[in-house]
Amino acid sequence: GAVVSQHPSRVICKSGTSVKIECRSLDFQATTMFWYRQFPKQSLMLMATSNEGSKATYEQGVEKDKFLINHASLTLSTLTVTSAHPEDSSFYICSARDRGAGNQPQHFGDGTRLSIL
Amino acid sequence: AQSVTQLDSQVPVFEEAPVELRCNYSSSVSVYLFWYVQYPNQGLQLLLKYLSGSTLVKGINGFEAEFNKSQTSFHLRKPSVHISDTAEYFCAVSDPSNFGNEKLTFGTGTRLTIIP
Repeated sequence: GAVVSQHPSRVICKSGTSVKIECRSLDFQATTMFWYRQFPKQSLMLMATSNEGSKATYEQGVEKDKFLINHASLTLSTLTVTSAHPEDSSFYICSARDRGAGNQPQHFGDGTRLSIL
Repeated sequence: AQSVTQLDSQVPVFEEAPVELRCNYSSSVSVYLFWYVQYPNQGLQLLLKYLSGSTLVKGINGFEAEFNKSQTSFHLRKPSVHISDTAEYFCAVSDPSNFGNEKLTFGTGTRLTIIP
């Protein structure tokens, strides 16, 4: 089945550090990838839609200069949390759609636990 | 705009008993519906989906769900649960007219706890 790999699975770093999270579709091509944020015991909130070769579309209230998204190829999207602060600590999850699979649903990565000290 | 309501935040069930997790949606257009399961510190795994056709959908791990358009519901059921079913379950909806770029709107989740 379709596999989405997310790396790293956990990051602990100091306040002010920039952190990059990678999302890869391992066995399919994804023109569209999605980035979600999940706070403890809460649902997933869509942050942005990442489109290969073009700018990401951010949801209302999400700072595009804070959360930089790059989707340079059909198998890789990256989310960079710039100058991270403790309030950015969260569980970040990406998903991807197989562009050759019609109306099939998104496949999710295993998430990245980001902890800012 | 679409929305999803999962009325039960927590559902405790004895092992081998049946379970139903409720999901209601609100949408002015037709919808695709999904149930996902999330185990601790992991991403989401698709249990089942409704895109069109038969309103009774069977998924993995013995789960099934029924799409009821008149009641705008998509409740998840399993006739006999196991300890391994302990997890968080999310109902989600998307707009099929936005094909290729459809966003998922998630409910707040239901924590299913299986009691030995």
